[in-house]
Amino acid sequence: QKEVEQNSGPLSVPEGAIASLNCTYSDRGSQSFFWYRQYSGKSPELIMSIYSNGDKEDGRFTAQLNKASQYVSLLIRDSQPSDSATYLCAVGAWGGNTPLVFGKGTRLSVIA
Amino acid sequence: KAGVTQTPRYLIKTRGQQVTLSCSPISGHRSVSWYQQTPGQGLQFLFEYFSETQRNKGNFPGRFSGRQFSNSRSEMNVSTLELGDSALYLCASSSPGISGNTIYFGEGSWLTVV
Repeated sequence: QKEVEQNSGPLSVPEGAIASLNCTYSDRGSQSFFWYRQYSGKSPELIMSIYSNGDKEDGRFTAQLNKASQYVSLLIRDSQPSDSATYLCAVGAWGGNTPLVFGKGTRLSVIA
Repeated sequence: KAGVTQTPRYLIKTRGQQVTLSCSPISGHRSVSWYQQTPGQGLQFLFEYFSETQRNKGNFPGRFSGRQFSNSRSEMNVSTLELGDSALYLCASSSPGISGNTIYFGEGSWLTVV
């Protein structure tokens, strides 16, 4: 059974701080990793994808991957109240032949 | 470029009825996946279709079925509805040759069973 684990939160951070969201996965053969953001009552939207060990930056977001530790994280710099949402980690094999496995999400609250 | 379109957005059904949900993928995407999202279980994979063939199936009873048409549009059907089927049903599309296994979600169909 492939599993993706996330702390459900809520994770509360003050405005302007760095929010750190973490995710671990059980399938050592996983090759692709994604972070989705889901606002209450809305559908998930893709924020970042990462495939190689190390960091990948996109604006205020940085995804970090450590395949040896089976760990992926998302850092949000200069957190804004508009970042308050649930963040879903998804893990999959490469090639699109198997479905992504999602964690249950971490709820982030950015306090103004 | 239009995103993934799902209809209807909201619906209320009675126990024992059936429901059909529709999904139009992003233009050029040939893979369509369906997920069920509930507060307790999170996002659970239902099935995936690629070129009109079911390629993967999740652990749901046979009351849940789907199909894909030649234009890549997809439908899912739930028969003999139960209260526990109340959920957000999400369709996602991808194009393995272009975006790997990155999937893009539609806005979802909110199903309430009473």
